[in-house]
Amino acid sequence: DQQVKQNSPSLSVQEGRISILNCDYTNSMFDYFLWYKKYPAEGPTFLISISSIKDKNEDGRFTVFLNKSAKHLSLHIVPSQPGDSAVYFCAANPTGKLIFGQGTTLQVKP
Amino acid sequence: GAGVSQSPRYKVAKRGQDVALRCDPISGHVSLFWYQQALGQGPEFLTYFQNEAQLDKSGLPSDRFFAERPEGSVSTLKIQRTQQEDSAVYLCASSLVFGSNEQFFGPGTRLTVL
Repeated sequence: DQQVKQNSPSLSVQEGRISILNCDYTNSMFDYFLWYKKYPAEGPTFLISISSIKDKNEDGRFTVFLNKSAKHLSLHIVPSQPGDSAVYFCAANPTGKLIFGQGTTLQVKP
Repeated sequence: GAGVSQSPRYKVAKRGQDVALRCDPISGHVSLFWYQQALGQGPEFLTYFQNEAQLDKSGLPSDRFFAERPEGSVSTLKIQRTQQEDSAVYLCASSLVFGSNEQFFGPGTRLTVL
C-alpha cells in the first residue's frame, strides 16, 4: 500500500522552461515532506522540504507547494537546467523514518 | 570523510551465500537508517539505530536480515542465505538526531544475487 505516490515515472522538459514534479500522499497525519534528488550510482541528496504549517517553500530555482486538502505536493524548478536531469523522490517524514515515492526521472534537454 | 560511506559499492553473491554490507555514517550523527531500493522503486525503510540501540527493525523483510551498530558508529547489515529477491541497492543514511528532518545518504551497495 503506497502511502506516497509519484504517478509520473518520467518527465522531459526543454532547458530554461519550468519543470513540475508531482507527489500525492494518503495519510493526512503526515506533516513534513522532503524532496531528494538522485544521480546514477549516488545516494539521494536532500533538495528542499516543507512543513504542513506552510503551503510554499522556496530555495533559489526550487519551490515546493503543499496542498493539504488535496494531499498533494509539487516541486517546481525554474528555469530548468541540463544538470537538473536526475531522479527526484518525494518523501514524507512522519516518525523520523522516511516514506518515499517511486521517483520521477527528469530529463532536461539542452 | 565528510559524508556517509558504504562498502562494498557492488556485491555479487550466489544464492544461499551470506553477505555483509558496511556503513560509515557522518561522524557524530546519532541516528542511522538502512533502506532497500528495488529497481524502479523508491527506497524503503529497513531498520533504525539511535547510537548502538536498534530501536526499529519493522522493515526487515525476514529473519535472514540482521543489522548491528555495536559501538554506535559503523553499522553492518547482514543478509544470510541470500535469495534472488534480495537483489537491490541498500542505502544507509545518518542524521544528527532522531526526528531531524534531513537524512544524509551514502552511495549505496548494489547487491546482485545470482
